[in-house]
Amino acid sequence: AQKITQTQPGMFVQEKEAVTLDCTYDTSDPSYGLFWYKQPSSGEMIFLIYQGSYDQQNATEGRYSLNFQKARKSANLVISASQLGDSAMYFCAMRGGNTGNQFYFGTGTSLTVIP
Amino acid sequence: NAGVTQTPKFQVLKTGQSMTLQCAQDMNHNSMYWYRQDPGMGLRLIYYSASEGTTDKGEVPNGYNVSRLNKREFSLRLESAAPSQTSVYFCASSNGLLATNIQYFGAGTRLSVL
Repeated sequence: AQKITQTQPGMFVQEKEAVTLDCTYDTSDPSYGLFWYKQPSSGEMIFLIYQGSYDQQNATEGRYSLNFQKARKSANLVISASQLGDSAMYFCAMRGGNTGNQFYFGTGTSLTVIP
Repeated sequence: NAGVTQTPKFQVLKTGQSMTLQCAQDMNHNSMYWYRQDPGMGLRLIYYSASEGTTDKGEVPNGYNVSRLNKREFSLRLESAAPSQTSVYFCASSNGLLATNIQYFGAGTRLSVL
């Protein structure tokens, strides 16, 4: 069975500092994709970053990077130089190669950036 | 860039009423999805359409029906709304079903069933 676990219900970070949001996953598919989405208080789901299971390097998108440790089945999101606008819910999601129709979402981490 | 457009943004229904949530995408994507999001939970798949002309059940399909009207549009219908269907509904689209295909989401529809 596919499963995504986010163990941090809430996190706080000082403005301009870096923060890591944890995500672990479980799948038997050899090919899968890992995604992070941001959901601000306005409610929309904003795609942030993607990592493929066969990618050799960790994905980066601006201030976002994905710390992918395949053997440990973890896909942590790192946000560098936090900004007040980063305050939001963050969801980790996985899509398996054999069940590509469905994303499996974690329960989310609420990030608050403190001025 | 419109992306994925959902209507309405908000809706209040009485138990037993019916309604249709509309979704349209302008990215020429093949696959479209309907999710619901409940407090403290991630998104759960209701139905999806891998391509025009096909629809399949997801994790929580009971109480819902869908129609893939054309490549752009994918609607979700509640035939007889129940309080348990109070939720935020998201439509999404992607270029296909591969694990590497990113899903892009609409802004959501907040539905309350009284």
